[in-house]
Amino acid sequence: GESVGLHLPTLSVQEGDNSIINCAYSNSASDYFIWYKQESGKGPQFIIDIRSNMDKRQGQRVTVLLNKTVKHLSLQIAATQPGDSAVYFCAEIYYGQNFVFGPGTRLSVLP
Amino acid sequence: EADIYQTPRYLVIGTGKKITLECSQTMGHDKMYWYQQDPGMELHLIHYSYGVNSTEKGDLSSESTVSRIRTEHFPLTLESARPSHTSQYLCASKGGGSPLHFGNGTRLTVT
Repeated sequence: GESVGLHLPTLSVQEGDNSIINCAYSNSASDYFIWYKQESGKGPQFIIDIRSNMDKRQGQRVTVLLNKTVKHLSLQIAATQPGDSAVYFCAEIYYGQNFVFGPGTRLSVLP
Repeated sequence: EADIYQTPRYLVIGTGKKITLECSQTMGHDKMYWYQQDPGMELHLIHYSYGVNSTEKGDLSSESTVSRIRTEHFPLTLESARPSHTSQYLCASKGGGSPLHFGNGTRLTVT
């Protein structure tokens, strides 16, 4: 069936370094992808999205890359800060309204 | 910032009690969702609604029920709570081409 999975359950990075969080998806019909950030005690918050007709999109300190050939999505965070510590989820959306979430990657920022 | 509210934030209740988790949004979104999430784990869709008087079960089997009498309100009810229901419950809404907007969740503990 359709699934979205993250390659690494945990990621530790040094403050100031760049972080890369990966995601694999399996549904070729997915045409929209979102990264969410979930801090402790809160609901997931939208970070950045990308449509399937793009391969890269940049936000403030974040970049999402989409490789449809290998069904791979990544989130890059530049100059990682302590406030970036959270669980990050990718989600694939197909037929405009069906969301499939991955299991999440916990990002820990080391001082 | 999305305006979606969940109450209560925390609930500790005994086995066999009936409970209702409240979710309201002020954005006029047609689509609303309930997810169940163990801490730091993936999200499981348990119910969704595409409009008033429309409700569907999600991917994860759940003993809960929902109703959608008003656009802005999507309560979730457990008729008889059990310890296996202990989890975090996240409500979300979506309008048009927007991503899912999440509330901050209800953390339920059944003793």
